[in-house]
Amino acid sequence: DIQMTQSPSSLSASVGDRVTITCRASQSINRYLNWHQQKPGKAPELLIYAASSLQSGVPSRFSGSGSGTDFTLTISSLQPEDFATYYCQQGYSTPVTFGQGTKVEIK
Amino acid sequence: EVQLVESGGGLVKPGGSLRLSCAASGFTFSSYRMNWVRQTPEKGLEWVSSISSGSDYKYYADSVKGRFTISRDNAENSLYLQMNSPRVEDTAVYYCARDGNLDLWGQGTLVTVSS
Repeated sequence: DIQMTQSPSSLSASVGDRVTITCRASQSINRYLNWHQQKPGKAPELLIYAASSLQSGVPSRFSGSGSGTDFTLTISSLQPEDFATYYCQQGYSTPVTFGQGTKVEIK
Repeated sequence: EVQLVESGGGLVKPGGSLRLSCAASGFTFSSYRMNWVRQTPEKGLEWVSSISSGSDYKYYADSVKGRFTISRDNAENSLYLQMNSPRVEDTAVYYCARDGNLDLWGQGTLVTVSS
């Protein structure tokens, strides 16, 4: 199975901050990397697919980059509604696997 | 409205059985691969099973292989997960999710396996 490792596990940031979350795969997954956002008590929602494509309806302050084994999710200017947990997920091979999550909290 | 709605969760005894359902609406269900994903505070998000659009291919996590069965009814726009011989460690919130990118999730249904 492909292991997905996110860092950091949590971070504290202020509204307006630029936030970067990284995800590393245990082997190359090309660009088969998705990012999901989950708010407390809610289901995850897809933010970015294929490493850098923005899902319809997602604000442009979210962006993704990377290929192979190293990927990044960036929030250019953190908004109050962005405080949530973010998960990377590889779709390169079965079984689909997820990172452990990065919780973004208010500073 | 494009949505997935799970049902069927609840309390089940170890070794019992439970059937989860996922009702799809607002899109052409028969065109999409579908998945079950579960979540616990301890293990996070864990993929459970996938089924191709025409039910030709079914895939399972090793942890549930031989105990759980995924199926779908494209005429009824529904996805199912038959859980046989559940274990305490199968306790989780179960989500259905669309396609390989998991681009649409249901609200989840809680399954508790306990005696």
